[in-house]
Amino acid sequence: DAGVIQSPRHEVTEMGQEVTLRCKPISGHDYLFWYRQTMMRGLELLIYFNNNVPIDDSGMPEDRFSAKMPNASFSTLKIQPSEPRDSAVYFCASSHYRAQGEKLFFGSGTQLSVL
Amino acid sequence: KQEVTQIPAALSVPEGENLVLNCSFTDSAIYNLQWFRQDPGKGLTSLLLIQSSQREQTSGRLNASLDKSSGRSTLYIAASQPGDSATYLCAVRPGSNYQLIWGAGTKLIIKP
Repeated sequence: DAGVIQSPRHEVTEMGQEVTLRCKPISGHDYLFWYRQTMMRGLELLIYFNNNVPIDDSGMPEDRFSAKMPNASFSTLKIQPSEPRDSAVYFCASSHYRAQGEKLFFGSGTQLSVL
Repeated sequence: KQEVTQIPAALSVPEGENLVLNCSFTDSAIYNLQWFRQDPGKGLTSLLLIQSSQREQTSGRLNASLDKSSGRSTLYIAASQPGDSATYLCAVRPGSNYQLIWGAGTKLIIKP
């Protein structure tokens, strides 16, 4: 398996623009997580899905952030409008509880810079 | 409120040494604890997961222990190699929710 695939790897945009981050989890995994990492705040869980259903979005910073998982093999995280304070590395991770316990598999991340 | 602390923030040791990384947490009521490594510019790799009922887990040169009563976990790395250089993070799952509580990490440098 290719692992968790995220795109793009790098995104540079201007304040006010819409940003869409994409994630393809490992095939067969039933949990998908979106994290944000910054030097100041470390790793923060934004939202997670179980079987494509959002379970906990309490970490989503504000209404400018939204996430969807239309099917088991694809998820998006959208920021509209983007702000400079959204600059961070965004990670997607997936897991298969029954097969591998709760071991998390992370993608390589998207480095987002909002100017 | 659960808090996870990793000390030291950075560690530099010569190749070949055995070393211990520390992780402490404030609430002993945890579901499990995971150790991850993160290489620069890359995602995290799960190394070991210890369930609350377990005392330790081993994988190759790595051994992680868990002492819930004292709120501590250690990651032991035997015969360290330059390839072990990375940031090591521990994360605690407090309960039924999948919200992990993360430590800030220990940046490890193994000198050849």
